[in-house]
Order: sequence, then structure tokens, then C-alpha cells
Amino acid sequence: QSVLTQPPSVSAAPGQKVTISCSGSSSNIGNNYVSWYQQLPGTAPKLLIYDNNKRPYGIPDRFSGSKAGTSATLGITGLQTGDEADYYCGTWDNSLSVVVFGGGTKLTLL
Amino acid sequence: EVQLVESGGGSVQPGGSLGLSCTVSGFIFRSFWMSWVRQAPGKGLEWVANIDQDGTEIYYRDSVKGRFTISRDNAKNSVYLQMNSLRGEDTAVYYCARDRHYGVSFWYFDLWGRGTLVTVSS
Repeated sequence: QSVLTQPPSVSAAPGQKVTISCSGSSSNIGNNYVSWYQQLPGTAPKLLIYDNNKRPYGIPDRFSGSKAGTSATLGITGLQTGDEADYYCGTWDNSLSVVVFGGGTKLTLL
Repeated sequence: EVQLVESGGGSVQPGGSLGLSCTVSGFIFRSFWMSWVRQAPGKGLEWVANIDQDGTEIYYRDSVKGRFTISRDNAKNSVYLQMNSLRGEDTAVYYCARDRHYGVSFWYFDLWGRGTLVTVSS
């Protein structure tokens, strides 16, 4: 059972938009910054978003992040087949004193 | 080109030991914290341990405290994870990652290796 809650799966058609939620509490998301990672099949995770809504160099602006209260959201627009992957949110948990991740969300293109 | 390359994974019996290495190139290794993050088969990500730039500040998740030891050699651009008293639940792909944090509020991993598989089974 992950500390951060993500939907196990989401799906959308190519070219459409999808959002992935990450729900936590005041001990984690509510008081800390969130990062998001993309893990393509059989590969290592890759940083997509940090500090809630910043994109590393090279990450297209089709990917966006936001946070409100104790929840965060990853948005992906103009979906491409190459976006099919698992997506994870992460942040620090003040009560557990450890970095925590969500259980991951599998994105499938219809 | 930035690279993080893990090695040392393999199969080991419960109670056994294994040492992992991660050699880095393409950035100034001695300037950054480093972490080990693992992923059990078909499961999510789990942070394991991290170490500061000169190896004086070290943290572990509770489940590995007293069994795992993280260390680094800045002259060799390498970070290590010595794993003792291994258990079945330690079975995972172990990734080394560059650890970026400012206090605790701002925390993320911006570079990852390809990982090395550790299997603990009799």
C-alpha cells in the first residue's frame, strides 16, 4: 500500500489529453514539492516534472504538473504512442522521514 | 554524455550478501548527493538510501537499517551499496540516482542508471 495514491491505469486516444492524479496528506504533498517520473517499458524512470510544475531541459511542454492542497496532477496533452508508460509521483513525507512514491499509473493509448 | 552504470546484481540465498556499484560520468560527481532506489518485480519505486557529497551524511529507510551500507569514492566517481542479511523482500531492480534536494521540501531524482537486478531466493 503506497503512501501516495494514484489510479492504477488511465487511457486515452492519440492526440487527446489525459490527467493522472496523486493524492496524499498534509505530511507529504500538503507541505512539500512533488516530482513526476515516466518509466517506459523495461527502462529506468525518467524525471518529467520537479518542484510541482517545472520541466527539466528536454521535456516537452506537453507535460505539465500542478498541485492543490494534498493532491497533485500530471497532465499530458497531444498524446503519442511513445507516451505509453508507467507514471509515478514522489515527494518527501515529514512523518515517515523518507521519500515516498505513488504506486504508479499505467497509461494506455486506445 | 551523462551516464550512471550499475553493476554487481545477481542471485543470492536469504541471509547472504551482495555489493552493488554505480559508476558515474558526465557530471561533477563529488558535487551531488546520490541515492539508491529499488523496484520489486511488477511493483512501484522505493527509496533505499542516500549519501551526501563527502559521505558524512547518510540516511536509510527503516527496513534496511543495520543491513545495508551506502558509501562513495569521489576519486572513482562511484557510489556503492553493500547489502547483508538479504531477505526475499529485497528482491528488486536497484537503481542509482542523482539526488537533488534542498532541505526536505524540495526533493527529486533527476538522473537514473539502468538498474541492476538482485534476486534473493533459496
